[in-house]
Amino acid sequence: DAGVIQSPRHEVTEMGQEVTLRCKPISGHDYLFWYRQTMMRGLELLIYFNNNVPIDDSGMPEDRFSAKMPNASFSTLKIQPSEPRDSAVYFCASSLEPGRNYGYTFGSGTRLTVV
Amino acid sequence: DQQVKQNSPSLSVQEGRISILNCDYTNSMFDYFLWYKKYPAEGPTFLISISSIKDKNEDGRFTVFLNKSAKHLSLHIVPSQPGDSAVYFCAASALQTGANNLFFGTGTRLTVIP
Repeated sequence: DAGVIQSPRHEVTEMGQEVTLRCKPISGHDYLFWYRQTMMRGLELLIYFNNNVPIDDSGMPEDRFSAKMPNASFSTLKIQPSEPRDSAVYFCASSLEPGRNYGYTFGSGTRLTVV
Repeated sequence: DQQVKQNSPSLSVQEGRISILNCDYTNSMFDYFLWYKKYPAEGPTFLISISSIKDKNEDGRFTVFLNKSAKHLSLHIVPSQPGDSAVYFCAASALQTGANNLFFGTGTRLTVIP
């Protein structure tokens, strides 16, 4: 398996524009997580899905953020409109048994810069 | 509020010596703890874990110690190697509550000096 695949690797956009981040989890993993990494807060959970259903979205900062998982092999995180404070690295992770054994498998991340 | 804290943002150690990375947590419901390692431009990768029923888990050069009364865990790397230079994240979960998400610390950047 190719692991968790995220695209794009880098995104630079202007304030106010819509940004869409994409994630393909490992086949067979029924949990998918979106995290954001910042210097101040480390890795923050934004939202996670189980069997394509959103379970906990309490970490989503504002209504400007939305996430979908239309099927078991694809998820998106959308920011509309984007703001400079959204600049961070966004990670997607998938898992069979979150919290146990190997925990999550992370993608390589998308570095978002909003100017 | 950070439920998992790594108070040392960075640590430098000579090659061959011991590296000790520390982590504190506040939530007494946490019962499973993990360490992840992250290289630049890559996602974090699992390193080692420990259940709250244990106080030590060892895997090769890596050992994690858990002190539940102090709500503290540490990762020991012996001997340290230059390839260990990375950011290390501590993570915790509360499996007993049925939760499936991990709470991460802010990370400690380890530099092993050749």
